[in-house]
Amino acid sequence: AQSVTQPDIHITVSEGASLELRCNYSYGATPYLFWYVQSPGQGLQLLLKYFSGDTLVQGIKGFEAEFKRSQSSFNLRKPSVHWSDAAEYFCAVGAAGDYKLSFGAGTTVTVRA
Amino acid sequence: DADVTQTPRNRITKTGKRIMLECSQTKGHDRMYWYRQDPGLGLRLIYYSFDVKDINKGEISDGYSVSRQAQAKFSLSLESAIPNQTALYFCATSDSAAAGGTDTQYFGPGTRLTVL
Repeated sequence: AQSVTQPDIHITVSEGASLELRCNYSYGATPYLFWYVQSPGQGLQLLLKYFSGDTLVQGIKGFEAEFKRSQSSFNLRKPSVHWSDAAEYFCAVGAAGDYKLSFGAGTTVTVRA
Repeated sequence: DADVTQTPRNRITKTGKRIMLECSQTKGHDRMYWYRQDPGLGLRLIYYSFDVKDINKGEISDGYSVSRQAQAKFSLSLESAIPNQTALYFCATSDSAAAGGTDTQYFGPGTRLTVL
């Protein structure tokens, strides 16, 4: 069965600093990988996804993620965070043609001025 | 207008009451899902439906039932609510790869349910 680990429960970062959120997955075949963001009081918004091809994926809001098969990781990065990036971030793994997404527990990002 | 809508957005109810959460989508997707979110646990799948005649249990279906009234509508019911069903509930839709889609799930805004 597939699973996702987000090792960091909470990260605090200064506005303008870089951000990296870690995601490790367990899956026997080629995974589909997703990052979602949940702003306070809002639903989940898709930031980016990886299905195949280039392992560096660009998403919305200036985020990018890199798929590293050898490390079973799909870390999310942003070079310079804005106060509006304060939110909870979820990594998820699925499989081609399958319905099931497995979500990590989430990482809460706090942005300080 | 939002592609995936959920009603109500907030609901407070009492133990033992029956409650229904509704989800509608205008994305034309064939697959719909219900999740619950609890702090520190991420999202867990309750039920999913591939079309109107196909409904399946997820990992935590006990105490819940669903109805797929049409391709665009998927309702979640708690027949007799209990306090540990207090959570944030999300509906999601996806367009299956088999139908030429991308298996990407799109989420509604959520319903915050409190059971007293």
